[in-house]
Amino acid sequence: DAKTTQPNSMESNEEEPVHLPCNHSTISGTDYIHWYRQLPSQGPEYVIHGLTSNVNNRMASLAIAEDRKSSTLILHRATLRDAAVYYCILRRNNAGNMLTFGGGTRLMVKP
Amino acid sequence: DAGITQSPRHKVTETGTPVTLRCHQTENHRYMYWYRQDPGHGLRLIHYSYGVKDTDKGEVSDGYSVSRSKTEDFLLTLESATSSQTSVYFCAISEFGDSPSYNEQFFGPGTRLTVL
Repeated sequence: DAKTTQPNSMESNEEEPVHLPCNHSTISGTDYIHWYRQLPSQGPEYVIHGLTSNVNNRMASLAIAEDRKSSTLILHRATLRDAAVYYCILRRNNAGNMLTFGGGTRLMVKP
Repeated sequence: DAGITQSPRHKVTETGTPVTLRCHQTENHRYMYWYRQDPGHGLRLIHYSYGVKDTDKGEVSDGYSVSRSKTEDFLLTLESATSSQTSVYFCAISEFGDSPSYNEQFFGPGTRLTVL
């Protein structure tokens, strides 16, 4: 399976935008880019996913590089509740819908 | 929130004893998954199910078995628990299809298992 590389941790100030990078240089044409986050003492929750085009939803935006070898999750205004571990995951479009989690990026938000 | 419950939420057991964890869903989703998460690490897939009585192995299946006799229930069994199986176990569900709302996995609250 193609792997992703993320920084171990990042810091942000409250109410400022946050850009969380992810490198996936071995991505294949059928891999979807998924982002999940895990708040302390909870299970992961879905944030956003995309294939080739940039995507927006109520939680975040996903910017995908033209060559698809990297992507960036954008939180437009970080809040203290956004402090979590963010996982960038490549999901192959096959039966099973399986996710392979890496180490993720721990986002700390300062008031 | 997706209707996923896990039981028990916490369990302490001794090495060599059998343990069964239960995942129950009310969403009628086809796919169900069991993951484990160890401190400081991401989740690793143990087993998954793609329908009643249809299961397959994940990345770390040794020492674990699963069963799914009903759509809503997915059981994870440790036949003879070992200390290396001390972990937090998460269940997840998903559907699969072309709609953008598919393909998300929804996770349960987790079960913290300690094997002494």
